Amino acid sequence: GEQVEQLPSILRVQEGSSASINCSYEDSASNYFPWYKQEPGENPKLIIDIRSNMERKQIQELIVLLDKKAKRFSLHITDTQPGDSAMYFCAAMTNTGANTGKLTFGHGTILRVHP
Amino acid sequence: EAAVTQSPRNKVAVTGGKVTLSCNQTNNHNNMYWYRQDTGHGLRLIHYSYGAGSTEKGDIPDGYKASRPSQENFSLILELATPSQTSVYFCASGGTGAETLYFGSGTRLTVL
Repeated sequence: GEQVEQLPSILRVQEGSSASINCSYEDSASNYFPWYKQEPGENPKLIIDIRSNMERKQIQELIVLLDKKAKRFSLHITDTQPGDSAMYFCAAMTNTGANTGKLTFGHGTILRVHP
Repeated sequence: EAAVTQSPRNKVAVTGGKVTLSCNQTNNHNNMYWYRQDTGHGLRLIHYSYGAGSTEKGDIPDGYKASRPSQENFSLILELATPSQTSVYFCASGGTGAETLYFGSGTRLTVL
């Protein structure tokens, strides 16, 4: 099945700087790549996603890039704030049928934004 | 936002006992999923379903069974719980294409 690798596992940045998380996948048929943010004790929540027909997507301070040839995708958070501190997961979706698919997650990145 | 409710929130079980984790979604989503979350492993898929009456094995199904008796409900069953199944379990639902997943609040299971 699909494998998703995520790096780094821990990322510490200064407030106001940028943070980047990188993921790679194996299945060239994967076509949807969401990013989830998880606060301590909470459930994961979708923050941004990108489909395979796009190379770049931005929502406010969040930028995702997709390189299908290299099978890599990344999340960039510009002008980080302490509220961005959380666990972040990347994922890749593999279709398993006409109307269903399953998401394979990376192992997660703990982001710490220091004032 | 989509509503996914899990019960119980916390559960302590004994080794060899039977555990049932329940999940209910009120969004008429076809697809439902059970993941477990462990430090260093992220979220791993145990079982999933694309409609009432269907269950499919995920990436780590051993030791788990699933049941989808209705569109709204999806249960995860540990027939003989082991300490290695101590984890946080998340249920999620998604619409056709299983793109955006909405997660429940999680169940923290401890097997002694």
